[in-house]
Order: sequence, then structure tokens, then C-alpha cells
Amino acid sequence: GENVEQHPSTLSVQEGDSAVIKCTYSDSASNYFPWYKQELGKRPQLIIDIRSNVGEKKDQRIAVTLNKTAKHFSLHITETQPEDSAVYFCAASEYGNKLVFGAGTILRVKS
Amino acid sequence: GAVVSQHPSWVICKSGTSVKIECRSLDFQATTMFWYRQFPKQSLMLMATSNEGSKATYEQGVEKDKFLINHASLTLSTLTVTSAHPEDSSFYICSAREPQETQYFGPGTRLLVL
Repeated sequence: GENVEQHPSTLSVQEGDSAVIKCTYSDSASNYFPWYKQELGKRPQLIIDIRSNVGEKKDQRIAVTLNKTAKHFSLHITETQPEDSAVYFCAASEYGNKLVFGAGTILRVKS
Repeated sequence: GAVVSQHPSWVICKSGTSVKIECRSLDFQATTMFWYRQFPKQSLMLMATSNEGSKATYEQGVEKDKFLINHASLTLSTLTVTSAHPEDSSFYICSAREPQETQYFGPGTRLLVL
């Protein structure tokens, strides 16, 4: 089955700097890759997703890149703000199947 | 995005009692809903996949007689923790999938078994 690895487990950046979180997946059949942000005690919220027919997707300060050959995808957050502090989860799935989540990254943005 | 509700948001119960948690998709029909368990500072652990009108598919190691799942309609799935014990205390989160595959999560239910 699918296995998703996520790095780093914790990431501290200065406000205004960029943050990058990387994930790798094992199943070449996976074709859907969402990213979720979870604040303490709250639900995971979808912040961006990408499908395997594109290599990059951007939404304001957030971007995701996908390298199908290498089976890895990354989340990029530019101009980080204190409110970006949260736990971020990547996930992968084959269309119609269940999501497999990474272990999560605790992002701390220091002001 | 789509809205998924979950009820109750928190529950405290005595050991040996059963607890029912409801998950509803409010503005779309969800043929598939998922139930997760999350321990502090850990990732989401999928417990089971719930398909409307059919039996749930449980992940390896999850006791189906312990965690009863019912998906009676396209907008409602329920998880019943039977004969709850302190080790069942956790944060339970459901999610519902839109036809386009995007998965939206409920706000979670915090269960504390005394």
C-alpha cells in the first residue's frame, strides 16, 4: 500500500521568511496530493491540492510542486506570518481511494 | 469549501458505556465518509471507510465490533464506541468526500472515558 513520508517534523522560521515542507510517496499510482493545515484542537483544513497532471499550483502565498518521476511533492509558504503557525499534513491517494497522511510538520513562525 | 459537522464536540463518559458520534455533510452528498482517530501530537490514523448503504471497511487492527459505523444516508454517518474504556479516550474526526474527491473534515469529537 501507499506510504507517505514527511520532513521536517518541526520547522521554525522568522516572520517574512519562506517555509518548505517535503513529502515523498511510494505508490506510483497515486495521483492526488492535498495539503492540510491543523491548528491546535481544531479540524484539518485543506489549504491546497494538486493532481498528477500538473507540476505546480499556486494560491497567493502558498504553492505546491509535484515531481512524479521522483515521487515527491512539496509545500512552499512565502512571506510567512505568525498565523501560519500550525501543523501541516501532506497526503496522497489514488483516485477514489483513501488518503494516506504524512506524520505532520509543526511550523512555528517567530515574530 | 464544503461544510462537515460533527456532534458532539466533546463527551465525558464512564467506563463501560457506549458513545455515539454523528458526522454530517451539510451542503453536499457524501457517498463516502471516513473516520479517523488522532492522538496528541500525532498524525491522523484512519479507522474505517464508510460507504452509504453498505458495510464499512475497517483498517487493520481496528475492531469492527468495538467501533460500529453506520452510513444510513448520503449526509450522515455515525460512529459508536461500544463499551468504552479509558484507552479509547482520543480525538475522533470524520471527513466527507465530495464527488470531485476533495475531502473535508469535521471539527472533531474529544472523548474522555473515566
